Amino acid sequence: AQRVTQPEKLLSVFKGAPVELKCNYSYSGSPELFWYVQYSRQRLQLLLRHISRESIKGFTADLNKGETSFHLKKPFAQEEDSAMYYCALSGHNAGNMLTFGGGTRLMVKP
Amino acid sequence: ETGVTQTPRHLVMGMTNKKSLKCEQHLGHNAMYWYKQSAKKPLELMFVYSLEERVENNSVPSRFSPECPNSSHLFLHLHTLQPEDSALYLCASSQEVAVGEKLFFGSGTQLSVL
Repeated sequence: AQRVTQPEKLLSVFKGAPVELKCNYSYSGSPELFWYVQYSRQRLQLLLRHISRESIKGFTADLNKGETSFHLKKPFAQEEDSAMYYCALSGHNAGNMLTFGGGTRLMVKP
Repeated sequence: ETGVTQTPRHLVMGMTNKKSLKCEQHLGHNAMYWYKQSAKKPLELMFVYSLEERVENNSVPSRFSPECPNSSHLFLHLHTLQPEDSALYLCASSQEVAVGEKLFFGSGTQLSVL
């Protein structure tokens, strides 16, 4: 069965520091990977997806099939990046449904 | 209103009550979802509807009963719930049920079962 693991429940960094939110997955096949974000008092929303190979708000994520990882990175964190971040996976073997990780809370301190 | 709207925002109910959660999407999507978000667990997929037909029932207890009368509306009927069912219930929609589809979420209903 598919699984998404985010090993860190909380990540605290100072403003301007680099950020890396870890995501590892378990899936037999070629999955599609996503990062969703939930800012305070806002709804859960898509940040970026592997299929689009995009950079949103300075964040990027590279799919590493060898390490089965999809870590989210940003070179210089901003205070407004403070939020809950969820890594998610979908694939044909999973009925095309989205499976989420447990989430990582990012706190960017001034 | 655009997007995905959920009502009520908060709900407190006893174990013998019957209540319903409502979700409405104004995005013209064909797929709708119910997720459960508990404090100590990842987001759990509960039900998926595609064009008003249920395509996924993720081993959810029968005390949760979904209903999708049309592609814009989704309900979750609740009866004889347990305190461990207290959680945030999120509704989402997408254009289709397909790999790579972007989900649009509602704000959720915070449910407390006493």
